[in-house]
Amino acid sequence: QQPVQSPQAVILREGEDAVINCSSSKALYSVHWYRQKHGEAPVFLMILLKGGEQKGHDKISASFNEKKQQSSLYLTASQLSYSGTYFCGTITQGGSEKLVFGKGTKLTVNP
Amino acid sequence: GAGVSQSPSNKVTEKGKDVELRCDPISGHTALYWYRQSLGQGLEFLIYFQGNSAPDKSGLPSDRFSAERTGGSVSTLTIQRTQQEDSAVYLCASSFKSQPSYEQYFGPGTRLTVT
Repeated sequence: QQPVQSPQAVILREGEDAVINCSSSKALYSVHWYRQKHGEAPVFLMILLKGGEQKGHDKISASFNEKKQQSSLYLTASQLSYSGTYFCGTITQGGSEKLVFGKGTKLTVNP
Repeated sequence: GAGVSQSPSNKVTEKGKDVELRCDPISGHTALYWYRQSLGQGLEFLIYFQGNSAPDKSGLPSDRFSAERTGGSVSTLTIQRTQQEDSAVYLCASSFKSQPSYEQYFGPGTRLTVT
């Protein structure tokens, strides 16, 4: 039931783009994205609900492909502040409403 | 307003002892979650409370782990007869309503070290 994230780690130079993927074997109701900086608590980025929506926040956006049970997080023109571990969390249809997180993708942005 | 608070921030205990970890959710949040994060690992779901409904305990790793939520607010996670593999950061989160469309707010966590 745990979603699968890829890649496990990404290293970028400032200004480069990155895509983080999240997939599930079960039908999803929603996908949640969080970012955790070292030694800090996870911080909410965005939620995508079934219906295949796409959302954006500044230069970070995400899409949700309901048919494929996949979500992708897009980081464009990366900044040093984007460094951290990104987690996707999923809620499956028809089951408990608990949010189950993937293992995370560690993003490092270098100058 | 105040965020989610957890206490203690750090706890060192001897193997075999019991520990209690406390979580104060954001006022008015009806949903409360506990997660465990081992060093460099992901967020492992432990338990979920929603209002007056029976909690979802499906993530508790053994019967040494239990949690309660009193008055729909403060929650306590209890680990009995602690083992070294229990060492981790225990995170609490709350949300205004249950999932799936409400964001979770995380507390700073309690770092548990079992020696």
